[in-house]
Amino acid sequence: GENVEQHPSTLSVQEGDSAVIKCTYSDSASNYFPWYKQELGKGPQLIIDIRSNVGEKKDQRIAVTLNKTAKHFSLHITETQPEDSAVYFCAAIPWGDYKLSFGAGTTVTVRA
Amino acid sequence: DSGVTQTPKHLITATGQRVTLRCSPRSGDLSVYWYQQSLDQGLQFLIQYYNGEERAKGNILERFSAQQFPDLHSELNLSSLELGDSALYFCASSPGRSSGNTIYFGEGSWLTVV
Repeated sequence: GENVEQHPSTLSVQEGDSAVIKCTYSDSASNYFPWYKQELGKGPQLIIDIRSNVGEKKDQRIAVTLNKTAKHFSLHITETQPEDSAVYFCAAIPWGDYKLSFGAGTTVTVRA
Repeated sequence: DSGVTQTPKHLITATGQRVTLRCSPRSGDLSVYWYQQSLDQGLQFLIQYYNGEERAKGNILERFSAQQFPDLHSELNLSSLELGDSALYFCASSPGRSSGNTIYFGEGSWLTVV
């Protein structure tokens, strides 16, 4: 099955700086890569996703890049704010599969 | 609000007992997924149903079972509970059954086994 590795496990940034989280996946058939944000006591919230026919996608301060050849994808958060503090999960689904395989998560702390 | 509703939000029960967690998917979604989140295991896929039928099985214990009803709500039954079953259980839903469908999560049911 699909195996997703996520780095770093924790990330502390100064407010206003950028944060980057990187994930690698093992199954070259994976074609859908969502990112979820989980705040304390809440469920994972989809914040952005990218499909394998696209190399980059941006939504305001959040962007995701995908390198199919290297089998890795990254989340970029610019101009970080205190409300960006949360656990972020990357995930992947191989074509024809039904379940998300999650990375282990990155705890992001934005220092005021 | 993702539109996925889970009840109860919190549940405390004793070892050996049985509990049922309930999930209502987003309006129009036919697929329901169950995930378990514990501190040391991350988000683990348990099982998926599509329009009432089981579609995929993950790391679900034999003591656990699930079903999806004609109105598309789903229940996860956990029996002979052990201390290690304490975790957050998430339900998620998506419109279809194939890969590439956006999957939305509920707020979770926090189960504590004492």
